[in-house]
Amino acid sequence: DVKVTQSSRYLVKRTGEKVFLECVQDMDHENMFWYRQDPGLGLRLIYFSYDVKMKEKGDIPEGYSVSREKKERFSLILESASTNQTSMYLCASTLDNSNQPQHFGDGTRLSIL
Amino acid sequence: RKEVEQDPGPFNVPEGATVAFNCTYSNSASQSFFWYRQDCRKEPKLLMSVYSSGNEDGRFTAQLNRASQYISLLIRDSKLSDSATYLCVVGTGGGNKLTFGTGTQLKVEL
Repeated sequence: DVKVTQSSRYLVKRTGEKVFLECVQDMDHENMFWYRQDPGLGLRLIYFSYDVKMKEKGDIPEGYSVSREKKERFSLILESASTNQTSMYLCASTLDNSNQPQHFGDGTRLSIL
Repeated sequence: RKEVEQDPGPFNVPEGATVAFNCTYSNSASQSFFWYRQDCRKEPKLLMSVYSSGNEDGRFTAQLNRASQYISLLIRDSKLSDSATYLCVVGTGGGNKLTFGTGTQLKVEL
């Protein structure tokens, strides 16, 4: 079974802080994704990565950056957290580019005060 | 127009009922199709992939109509444990980039 692990289930940070969300997958998947999910808006793609040190902007990259130094780890960074970044953040991975489904981590509920 | 559209519901059905959800997508170049299930405050989990010829997994049947650009999910003999939000998911282009619908909420009642 694929295991995608996110570092925190719940996180509370203050406005202006730099926030790191970590995601690790154990199945040697090539592709990794970061989404946020908000009521009525569904899942929206922030950034994704096809390979180590490679990143692509998703639909809503503003205010975020990512890092993929190792294949198994994909980090999401909020450079200067703002209250409108309070959300549920979900990491996902997929084996490669062959139209496979994505597997999700448990999610991180982030509150910015 | 949203790329993937679903009726948000909720669909309230009695246990044992048959219920169907539809979903439409806008990009005719879409190549992969899935239904995910999401329980309250949990992550989405893959329910089933959707194939061109239609496919069945136990009580669940998925259909794809490429000409009309819609996907359906049929749940037979609903159980209380089927209560969840069902997400229609469409993949377009390379890289396994997926677009998610906002979900249809199902409540199965005694």
